[in-house]
Formats: sequence, C-alpha cells, structure tokens
Amino acid sequence: EIVLTQSPGTLSLSPGDRATLSCRASQSVSGNYLGWYQQKPGQAPRLLIYSTSSRAAGISDRFSGSGSGTDFTLTISRLEPEDFAVYYCQQYDSSPEVYTFGQGTKLEIK
Amino acid sequence: EVQLVQSGEGLIQPGGSLTLSCAASGFTFTDYWMHWVRQAPGKGLVWVSRIDSYGNSTHYADSVKGRFTISRDNAKRTLYLQMSSLRGEDTALYYCARGSYRNFDYWGQGTLVTVSS
Repeated sequence: EIVLTQSPGTLSLSPGDRATLSCRASQSVSGNYLGWYQQKPGQAPRLLIYSTSSRAAGISDRFSGSGSGTDFTLTISRLEPEDFAVYYCQQYDSSPEVYTFGQGTKLEIK
Repeated sequence: EVQLVQSGEGLIQPGGSLTLSCAASGFTFTDYWMHWVRQAPGKGLVWVSRIDSYGNSTHYADSVKGRFTISRDNAKRTLYLQMSSLRGEDTALYYCARGSYRNFDYWGQGTLVTVSS
C-alpha cells in the first residue's frame, strides 16, 4: 500500500508569501491520480487540485500543483489570510483499490 | 449547485449499529461513484468505502471490511453507510463525497459518530 508523507508538518508564513507544500509517495502514483485538499476548522475538506495539476472548479489560480512519480508539490503563489488552513494530499491506487491521504500540512500565520 | 446533505449522527454503544445517509442534489447522481471518508477527532482523513454508479461494485478499507456496508438508492438520490459491530476506533466525523478523476470533488457537511459505553 502506498504511503503519502507530507512535509513540512507545519509551515509558518506571512500573507503575501509563497507557500510550497510537499507530498512524497512510497511508490509511484498510478495515472498521476494525486489530489490536494484544503480544510479549515469545523469545515469539510475542499478539493483544490486533481490529477496532479488541474485546478478544481472555482479555485483561484494562485493555487498550482505539479510533480510526477513519487514527488508532488502544491504551490500557493501569494498567500491570502483565508489560505491559512490544513492541506492534505491524496492518491488512488488500483491494486488493491485504495484511496490514501497524507497526514496533512498545517499552514499557519507567522 | 451540487449539495450533499448528511444525516444519521449518533452516540452508539460498542457492538452497536448505525446507518448514515447522504442526500444528493444539483447533479446527475448516476453519473458518479460515491465515497465515505472519515476523520477521527483531531486526526487526518481516512477513506472508508466507495460504490460505483449503479451499486454493482463496492470496495472497503480493511479496517471496516465485513462490518460496514455502502449502498445507494438512485431513485432517492441517496447514499448510505450501514455500520455494525462498532468499535471505539470508529469514532469519527464521517463525510460522504462525490468521486471524480479518482479524487473527491464535493463533500457533505459531515456526521459525527461516537462509539462509547
């Protein structure tokens, strides 16, 4: 089973900064089925990026995803106050069928 | 507007059973696989189960296999999760989610399940 490891665990930045969040898989992610989610306290997760680099509906172009194989990155170009939250990566593996999340990166205001 | 509205929250004794529901609107329900994802208090997200568009194929995480059953009623546009033999470690906020490109593009508001004596 593929394990996703996110780093750093906590990222402290200021509004206007650029954020780079990493997600590393223990094996190659099939079909680049890698997604990124944002979760704020008391809210359901929200899909930001699907299939590694495609932005979900209504997501700002300040969010971008990249990577392949085992190394994936979520970049937030200019942090806004509403971007401070927990971010999760997620992958799909077909054999066996399983959907796995990383442990999360907390993006906090410095 | 896509909406997933959940119901069925509860406090259940260990060994008990509970069924969660997720009512869908704003999209063609039969076009999508549906999933359940859970989140223990203060912890991360864990996928639980998925069902294909017409209920012909289901799949479960090992931790719930044999105890949980996912189903759907396409006429009612509703997804279900029947949970039995509940354990303390099943305590979590349960989310229903719509599947898209092997990710989850819309989520319900979450339903809290607490297993405790």
